[in-house]
Amino acid sequence: GNSVTQMEGPVTLSEEAFLTINCTYTATGYPSLFWYVQYPGEGLQLLLKATKADDKGSNKGFEATYRKETTSFHLEKGSVQVSDSAVYFCALSRPYSGGGADGLTFGKGTHLIIQP
Amino acid sequence: DTAVSQTPKYLVTQMGNDKSIKCEQNLGHDTMYWYKQDSKKFLKIMFSYNNKELIINETVPNRFSPKSPDKAHLNLHINSLELGDSAVYFCASSSPGQRPGTGELFFGEGSRLTVL
Repeated sequence: GNSVTQMEGPVTLSEEAFLTINCTYTATGYPSLFWYVQYPGEGLQLLLKATKADDKGSNKGFEATYRKETTSFHLEKGSVQVSDSAVYFCALSRPYSGGGADGLTFGKGTHLIIQP
Repeated sequence: DTAVSQTPKYLVTQMGNDKSIKCEQNLGHDTMYWYKQDSKKFLKIMFSYNNKELIINETVPNRFSPKSPDKAHLNLHINSLELGDSAVYFCASSSPGQRPGTGELFFGEGSRLTVL
């Protein structure tokens, strides 16, 4: 079946440090890949996505490249800010034929803490 | 205007009671979901509906019964609540995407259920 593996947290960094959160996946076919972010007390919101191999998703200074050969979708940011403190979820799609019900399989989430 | 809204936001109840959580989306999406997030932030899909039709029904006790009166609403009813049901429940809807599996999920803010 489909699965997503993320690095365990919490990850604690100083402001302006370089960030990498690793994500690898197992899936049949050609899934789309996503990073969602959950700020304290809120629901998840889409951060970025990539729908085919070698695509790069980017948003708010974050980037991730869909690597089919290594089945990875690592999240990176060059200089993190305190406001980036949140839980980050890697996810892949589960397309169903005929219904369009795109249920996602999520990783366990990585709690990121940025200290001033 | 809130895109995906769920009520109540907090729910504290005794074991054995029956409770409901309501969800409404004003995005015009055909597909809606319920996810359960446990205390370790792990997210697991429970149900998915596409245009009022049940598409995904993961291994969830039959004490949980979703109801979709129309495609803008997906309510969750839980009978005979147990301690292990304590969690945050997220409703979501998805945009169709250019092809199956590429759409984005829009989440509500969550409903925190505490069973005493």
